[in-house]
Amino acid sequence: DAGVTQSPTHLIKTRGQQVTLRCSPISGHKSVSWYQQVLGQGPQFIFQYYEKEERGRGNFPDRFSARQFPNYSSELNVNALLLGDSALYLCASSLVGQGGTEAFFGQGTRLTVV
Amino acid sequence: RKEVEQDPGPFNVPEGATVAFNCTYSNSASQSFFWYRQDCRKEPKLLMSVYSSGNEDGRFTAQLNRASQYISLLIRDSKLSDSATYLCVVNGRGSYIPTFGRGTSLIVHP
Repeated sequence: DAGVTQSPTHLIKTRGQQVTLRCSPISGHKSVSWYQQVLGQGPQFIFQYYEKEERGRGNFPDRFSARQFPNYSSELNVNALLLGDSALYLCASSLVGQGGTEAFFGQGTRLTVV
Repeated sequence: RKEVEQDPGPFNVPEGATVAFNCTYSNSASQSFFWYRQDCRKEPKLLMSVYSSGNEDGRFTAQLNRASQYISLLIRDSKLSDSATYLCVVNGRGSYIPTFGRGTSLIVHP
């Protein structure tokens, strides 16, 4: 069975540009979460979606947005990129959208903003 | 005070050693706890959940101390392959927002 898949794996963008990252959860999983991980830090929670509804939002500016599609895949959009947005963006899927369940992570998208 | 705190290390130990990490959390209403392992430039993977009664999986033992608000991970008979960053994760009651610690780096040397 395929695990969580993310695309692209690497991306270089210029300041001010917009980026869209994609995630396909494990088959049967209805919840997708997005995290930002900068070097030397743990993943920081950005969003969680369950059944296409936003269930949680972390402390990120409005430049960050996301959505979940009927097939449970998800996109993370970041507008007006800043140098500080350079990070590994991780997507995690879980069966249900509760915090007490195991999350399975994709390999991440490494975004570099120059 | 950060919601979840971990000593970043690194912890340098020889093969066969026993090593323990702690992770403190600030929200006394936290309900579920996990340890994840992250290898260099890879995604985090669940190592084990942490139950109130404590739990063991082979060489790994996880414990929860609610009174002092910390969880611990004990690794016995360390292997070279245990070298990684260990992340603790804490979820509040009914919360959909898991909080990760910054991770503790473990280096096991021959």
